[in-house]
Amino acid sequence: LAKTTQPISMDSYEGQEVNITCSHNNIATNDYITWYQQFPSQGPRFIIQGYKTKVTNEVASLFIPADRKSSTLSLPRVSLSDTAVYYCLALGSTGANNLFFGTGTRLTVIP
Amino acid sequence: DTAVSQTPKYLVTQMGNDKSIKCEQNLGHDTMYWYKQDSKKFLKIMFSYNNKELIINETVPNRFSPKSPDKAHLNLHINSLELGDSAVYFCASSQVRGRDTEAFFGQGTRLTVV
Repeated sequence: LAKTTQPISMDSYEGQEVNITCSHNNIATNDYITWYQQFPSQGPRFIIQGYKTKVTNEVASLFIPADRKSSTLSLPRVSLSDTAVYYCLALGSTGANNLFFGTGTRLTVIP
Repeated sequence: DTAVSQTPKYLVTQMGNDKSIKCEQNLGHDTMYWYKQDSKKFLKIMFSYNNKELIINETVPNRFSPKSPDKAHLNLHINSLELGDSAVYFCASSQVRGRDTEAFFGQGTRLTVV
């Protein structure tokens, strides 16, 4: 399983773009980078998944360089409701069986 | 409709008791999980069930036993509860569809052992 490393915490003001970087130096060829969001007192929620280059959905963008040893989750114009813990996972092709969560990044959005 | 539901939401019990937490998913997924999130907020996988077979069993005490009567249910039984078992327990389910692997989590069960 590819181990992921991400900052423990980040602070941001409302309206700013937030970029959370995740390192996964030993990512396998079949691994996909997947991000989850967890609000207090709730279970994690899937945000976005990608293999390489850029993926964008209504919530976030995911940037993955060619070597795939890192990835960046980008949240545009954050609001107070984006305060949460964000987890980066590297899932194999049998990813359903490898949902191991690291420490995550605790994002605090400040008014 | 709630995709993954767990009951109860809160559970307070004394040391030494035996308790169960139920989980049901209506998504037709073939894999279900149990996670433990302790006071330090680390989310640790405990069990994973695929088509009624245990495929991951992290080093959890054998006081914990998952029971899956069918593909839509994965219940967690805990015997001889200890203070250190106090945590939030999350149930989840997923379905591998090639590149699209997304897990859905329940709202959690906060277990307090006194």
